[in-house]
Amino acid sequence: QVQLQQSGPRLVKPSQTLSLTCAISGDSVSSNSAAWNWIRQSPSGGLEWLGRTYYRSKWSSDYAVSLRSRITINPDTSRNQFSLQLNSVTPEDTAVYFCARDFGVILSCGLDVWGQGTTVTVS
Amino acid sequence: QSALTQPPSVSGSPGQSVTISCSGTSSDIGYYNRVSWFQQPPGTAPKLMIYEVSNRPSGVPDRFSGSKSGSTASLTISGLQAEDEADYFCSSYTKFNTLIFGGGTKLTVL
Repeated sequence: QVQLQQSGPRLVKPSQTLSLTCAISGDSVSSNSAAWNWIRQSPSGGLEWLGRTYYRSKWSSDYAVSLRSRITINPDTSRNQFSLQLNSVTPEDTAVYFCARDFGVILSCGLDVWGQGTTVTVS
Repeated sequence: QSALTQPPSVSGSPGQSVTISCSGTSSDIGYYNRVSWFQQPPGTAPKLMIYEVSNRPSGVPDRFSGSKSGSTASLTISGLQAEDEADYFCSSYTKFNTLIFGGGTKLTVL
Protein backbone atom coordinates (compact mmCIF):
# COMPACT_ATOMS: atom_id res chain seq x y z
CA GLN A 1 0.00 0.00 0.00
CA VAL A 2 1.50 3.28 -1.13
CA GLN A 3 1.51 6.10 1.37
CA LEU A 4 2.79 9.68 1.23
CA GLN A 5 3.78 11.54 4.40
CA GLN A 6 4.28 15.29 4.22
CA SER A 7 6.45 17.39 6.49
CA GLY A 8 7.55 20.99 6.70
CA PRO A 9 6.89 24.32 8.43
CA ARG A 10 3.34 25.63 8.58
CA LEU A 11 4.27 29.31 8.91
CA VAL A 12 6.50 31.16 6.46
CA LYS A 13 7.34 34.85 6.41
CA PRO A 14 6.73 36.92 3.27
CA SER A 15 9.65 36.98 0.82
CA GLN A 16 11.11 33.77 2.30
CA THR A 17 11.15 30.23 0.88
CA LEU A 18 8.44 27.65 1.47
CA SER A 19 9.92 24.14 1.76
CA LEU A 20 7.96 20.90 2.05
CA THR A 21 8.95 17.24 1.82
CA CYS A 22 6.91 14.21 0.84
CA ALA A 23 8.21 10.82 2.02
CA ILE A 24 7.15 7.80 -0.04
CA SER A 25 6.45 4.33 1.29
CA GLY A 26 5.37 1.38 -0.80
CA ASP A 27 6.78 2.81 -4.06
CA SER A 28 9.96 4.39 -5.33
CA VAL A 29 10.58 7.99 -6.32
CA SER A 30 12.71 6.49 -9.13
CA SER A 31 9.86 4.39 -10.52
CA ASN A 32 9.45 4.72 -14.28
CA SER A 33 5.71 4.20 -13.94
CA ALA A 34 4.92 7.08 -11.58
CA ALA A 35 5.27 10.84 -11.34
CA TRP A 36 5.39 12.82 -8.13
CA ASN A 37 3.30 15.96 -7.91
CA TRP A 38 2.60 18.96 -5.71
CA ILE A 39 -0.86 20.53 -5.66
CA ARG A 40 -2.25 23.29 -3.48
CA GLN A 41 -5.75 24.29 -2.43
CA SER A 42 -6.51 27.93 -1.78
CA PRO A 43 -8.64 29.10 1.14
CA SER A 44 -11.48 29.62 -1.35
CA GLY A 45 -11.28 25.91 -2.23
CA GLY A 46 -9.81 25.76 -5.73
CA LEU A 47 -7.10 23.25 -6.61
CA GLU A 48 -3.93 24.35 -8.39
CA TRP A 49 -1.33 21.99 -9.83
CA LEU A 50 2.18 23.24 -9.02
CA GLY A 51 4.45 20.75 -10.73
CA ARG A 52 5.90 17.24 -10.86
CA THR A 53 9.16 15.30 -10.98
CA TYR A 54 9.59 11.89 -12.59
CA TYR A 55 12.17 9.44 -13.89
CA ARG A 56 12.01 8.02 -17.42
CA SER A 57 15.63 6.99 -18.10
CA LYS A 58 16.50 10.48 -16.83
CA TRP A 59 15.04 12.91 -14.32
CA SER A 60 12.59 15.55 -15.47
CA SER A 61 10.46 18.21 -13.80
CA ASP A 62 7.50 20.18 -15.13
CA TYR A 63 6.00 23.28 -13.54
CA ALA A 64 2.90 25.43 -13.74
CA VAL A 65 3.62 28.35 -16.04
CA SER A 66 2.63 30.93 -13.43
CA LEU A 67 5.18 29.60 -10.92
CA ARG A 68 8.16 28.68 -13.12
CA SER A 69 10.31 31.54 -11.89
CA ARG A 70 9.85 30.60 -8.21
CA ILE A 71 9.43 26.83 -7.94
CA THR A 72 11.70 23.79 -7.73
CA ILE A 73 10.64 20.17 -7.23
CA ASN A 74 13.45 17.71 -6.61
CA PRO A 75 13.70 13.98 -5.98
CA ASP A 76 15.79 12.59 -3.13
CA THR A 77 16.60 9.00 -4.04
CA SER A 78 18.61 8.30 -0.88
CA ARG A 79 15.57 9.04 1.31
CA ASN A 80 12.90 7.99 -1.23
CA GLN A 81 11.15 11.33 -1.07
CA PHE A 82 10.65 14.50 -3.08
CA SER A 83 10.52 18.13 -2.13
CA LEU A 84 8.91 21.44 -3.01
CA GLN A 85 10.63 24.79 -2.76
CA LEU A 86 8.69 27.96 -3.51
CA ASN A 87 10.69 31.17 -3.34
CA SER A 88 9.69 34.75 -2.59
CA VAL A 89 6.35 33.81 -1.07
CA THR A 90 3.52 36.27 -0.49
CA PRO A 91 0.25 35.93 1.45
CA GLU A 92 -1.30 34.70 -1.82
CA ASP A 93 0.73 31.50 -1.38
CA THR A 94 -1.23 30.67 1.77
CA ALA A 95 -2.91 27.33 1.04
CA VAL A 96 -3.16 23.66 1.89
CA TYR A 97 -0.33 21.91 0.06
CA PHE A 98 -0.69 18.27 -1.05
CA CYS A 99 1.77 15.85 -2.58
CA ALA A 100 0.34 13.15 -4.84
CA ARG A 101 1.39 10.21 -7.01
CA ASP A 102 0.43 10.11 -10.67
CA PHE A 103 0.44 6.43 -11.63
CA GLY A 104 1.26 5.00 -15.02
CA VAL A 105 4.06 5.26 -17.54
CA ILE A 106 2.35 8.12 -19.36
CA LEU A 107 1.84 11.36 -17.46
CA SER A 108 -1.45 12.39 -15.88
CA CYS A 109 -3.12 8.99 -15.89
CA GLY A 110 -4.52 9.93 -12.50
CA LEU A 111 -3.46 11.16 -9.08
CA ASP A 112 -4.30 8.05 -7.10
CA VAL A 113 -2.42 8.52 -3.81
CA TRP A 114 -2.34 11.78 -1.86
CA GLY A 115 -0.51 13.05 1.16
CA GLN A 116 -2.41 14.26 4.20
CA GLY A 117 -2.06 17.93 3.29
CA THR A 118 -0.11 20.67 5.04
CA THR A 119 -1.69 24.03 5.81
CA VAL A 120 0.90 26.69 5.10
CA THR A 121 0.31 30.28 6.12
CA VAL A 122 2.43 33.13 4.78
CA SER A 123 2.45 35.90 7.37
CA GLN B 1 -4.05 28.94 -18.50
CA SER B 2 -7.56 29.33 -17.09
CA ALA B 3 -9.11 26.67 -14.91
CA LEU B 4 -11.56 24.21 -16.42
CA THR B 5 -15.16 25.35 -16.02
CA GLN B 6 -17.48 23.47 -13.68
CA PRO B 7 -20.89 24.47 -12.28
CA PRO B 8 -20.48 25.76 -8.71
CA SER B 9 -23.17 23.47 -7.38
CA VAL B 10 -25.52 20.63 -8.26
CA SER B 11 -28.07 18.78 -6.19
CA GLY B 12 -30.22 15.70 -6.31
CA SER B 13 -32.38 13.46 -4.18
CA PRO B 14 -31.33 10.00 -3.02
CA GLY B 15 -31.69 7.47 -5.82
CA GLN B 16 -31.59 10.08 -8.58
CA SER B 17 -28.79 10.71 -11.06
CA VAL B 18 -26.74 13.87 -11.35
CA THR B 19 -24.22 14.94 -13.98
CA ILE B 20 -21.39 17.40 -13.43
CA SER B 21 -19.85 19.00 -16.49
CA CYS B 22 -16.26 20.13 -16.99
CA SER B 23 -15.58 22.42 -19.92
CA GLY B 24 -12.12 22.96 -21.36
CA THR B 25 -10.47 23.75 -24.66
CA SER B 26 -8.74 22.07 -27.57
CA SER B 27 -5.48 22.41 -25.61
CA ASP B 28 -6.57 20.24 -22.71
CA ILE B 29 -9.75 18.13 -22.58
CA GLY B 30 -10.07 18.26 -26.35
CA TYR B 31 -6.43 17.27 -26.87
CA TYR B 32 -5.98 14.22 -24.66
CA ASN B 33 -8.09 11.49 -23.06
CA ARG B 34 -6.45 12.19 -19.72
CA VAL B 35 -9.36 13.56 -17.75
CA SER B 36 -9.75 12.67 -14.08
CA TRP B 37 -12.43 13.27 -11.48
CA PHE B 38 -11.89 13.65 -7.74
CA GLN B 39 -14.21 13.55 -4.76
CA GLN B 40 -13.34 15.67 -1.73
CA PRO B 41 -15.41 15.60 1.46
CA PRO B 42 -14.68 18.56 3.78
CA GLY B 43 -11.31 18.47 5.50
CA THR B 44 -9.92 15.54 3.52
CA ALA B 45 -7.57 15.04 0.60
CA PRO B 46 -9.11 14.55 -2.84
CA LYS B 47 -9.89 10.95 -3.84
CA LEU B 48 -9.52 9.72 -7.43
CA MET B 49 -12.88 8.53 -8.74
CA ILE B 50 -12.34 8.43 -12.53
CA TYR B 51 -9.17 8.46 -14.64
CA GLU B 52 -8.55 8.60 -18.39
CA VAL B 53 -12.09 9.89 -18.98
CA SER B 54 -14.04 6.79 -17.98
CA ASN B 55 -11.94 4.34 -15.97
CA ARG B 56 -12.70 3.62 -12.32
CA PRO B 57 -9.96 2.77 -9.82
CA SER B 58 -10.46 -0.36 -7.77
CA GLY B 59 -12.99 0.22 -5.00
CA VAL B 60 -14.94 3.02 -6.68
CA PRO B 61 -18.62 2.06 -7.09
CA ASP B 62 -19.90 1.61 -10.63
CA ARG B 63 -22.49 4.27 -9.85
CA PHE B 64 -19.76 6.70 -10.86
CA SER B 65 -19.13 7.02 -14.59
CA GLY B 66 -17.26 9.44 -16.82
CA SER B 67 -17.49 10.50 -20.43
CA LYS B 68 -16.17 13.10 -22.84
CA SER B 69 -17.42 14.86 -25.93
CA GLY B 70 -15.11 17.28 -27.68
CA SER B 71 -13.72 19.65 -25.06
CA THR B 72 -16.27 18.84 -22.37
CA ALA B 73 -16.07 16.00 -19.88
CA SER B 74 -18.84 14.79 -17.62
CA LEU B 75 -19.15 12.84 -14.38
CA THR B 76 -22.44 11.05 -13.76
CA ILE B 77 -23.42 9.69 -10.39
CA SER B 78 -26.40 7.37 -10.50
CA GLY B 79 -28.38 6.04 -7.55
CA LEU B 80 -27.35 9.05 -5.49
CA GLN B 81 -26.53 8.33 -1.86
CA ALA B 82 -26.10 10.65 1.13
CA GLU B 83 -22.42 9.68 1.34
CA ASP B 84 -21.85 11.13 -2.15
CA GLU B 85 -22.25 14.66 -0.80
CA ALA B 86 -18.87 16.32 -1.34
CA ASP B 87 -16.94 18.65 -3.63
CA TYR B 88 -16.00 17.23 -7.03
CA PHE B 89 -13.11 18.41 -9.18
CA CYS B 90 -12.10 17.54 -12.72
CA SER B 91 -8.58 17.71 -14.10
CA SER B 92 -6.96 17.36 -17.50
CA TYR B 93 -3.48 16.96 -18.93
CA THR B 94 -2.66 19.77 -21.35
CA LYS B 95 -0.67 20.03 -24.57
CA PHE B 96 1.80 22.18 -22.61
CA ASN B 97 2.73 19.18 -20.44
CA THR B 98 0.94 20.59 -17.41
CA LEU B 99 -2.13 19.60 -15.40
CA ILE B 100 -5.13 21.84 -14.96
CA PHE B 101 -8.06 21.56 -12.54
CA GLY B 102 -11.66 22.67 -12.64
CA GLY B 103 -12.99 25.14 -10.10
CA GLY B 104 -14.95 22.45 -8.27
CA THR B 105 -18.63 21.58 -7.88
CA LYS B 106 -20.42 21.17 -4.57
CA LEU B 107 -22.84 18.24 -4.68
CA THR B 108 -25.74 18.42 -2.24
CA VAL B 109 -27.87 15.35 -1.62
CA LEU B 110 -31.31 16.66 -0.71
